[in-house]
Amino acid sequence: DSGVTQTPKHLITATGQRVTLRCSPRSGDLSVYWYQQSLDQGLQFLIQYYNGEERAKGNILERFSAQQFPDLHSELNLSSLELGDSALYFCASSAPPFTDTQYFGPGTRLTVL
Amino acid sequence: DQQVKQNSPSLSVQEGRISILNCDYTNSMFDYFLWYKKYPAEGPTFLISISSIKDKNEDGRFTVFLNKSAKHLSLHIVPSQPGDSAVYFCAASRGGNYQLIWGAGTKLIIKP
Repeated sequence: DSGVTQTPKHLITATGQRVTLRCSPRSGDLSVYWYQQSLDQGLQFLIQYYNGEERAKGNILERFSAQQFPDLHSELNLSSLELGDSALYFCASSAPPFTDTQYFGPGTRLTVL
Repeated sequence: DQQVKQNSPSLSVQEGRISILNCDYTNSMFDYFLWYKKYPAEGPTFLISISSIKDKNEDGRFTVFLNKSAKHLSLHIVPSQPGDSAVYFCAASRGGNYQLIWGAGTKLIIKP
């Protein structure tokens, strides 16, 4: 158990809908990262937050957005969903500047029908 | 531009033998390297890391070697066990709260 929690574990929805994925980092970690993994491909970095502020952006679509709240949990919002958005979405947290090691949650499997 | 490359998509090794997974990087600013293991439908699990001030780090059956001049790192697993069958990702960082740059992964299959 990494200490990172993600909810829900599974999500099934229809095209055009909007969903919110939630992540709670390990206790004390200030950084949260979101990744997408489609069809057993590699990890695609989406976005990073550090202590409530956006720190780095990767291949995140404009239909996707994220935020980190004062209690350090984070939410990833996916809107106008398309079939191709079906994937595993992982959240990770770390405790910079002391370490860049990221600890991953179990993921949310999103299925868009 | 792929800054971290794992050129072998898959590797098959006999149980009990040594597994060697390789990773190359292009950015000489990277100073921290990590290996993660991932089972299907689970989050990646941190295995071992190495700072650029070292050339070797060991943790039980896992050893990571770093060759800075060649911009190459490798993960050795000795002896290989069936539970080691997974996808292994290497990642690199410039340190100081920069994002990790990930390789594409190598699928390790341990044969009985």
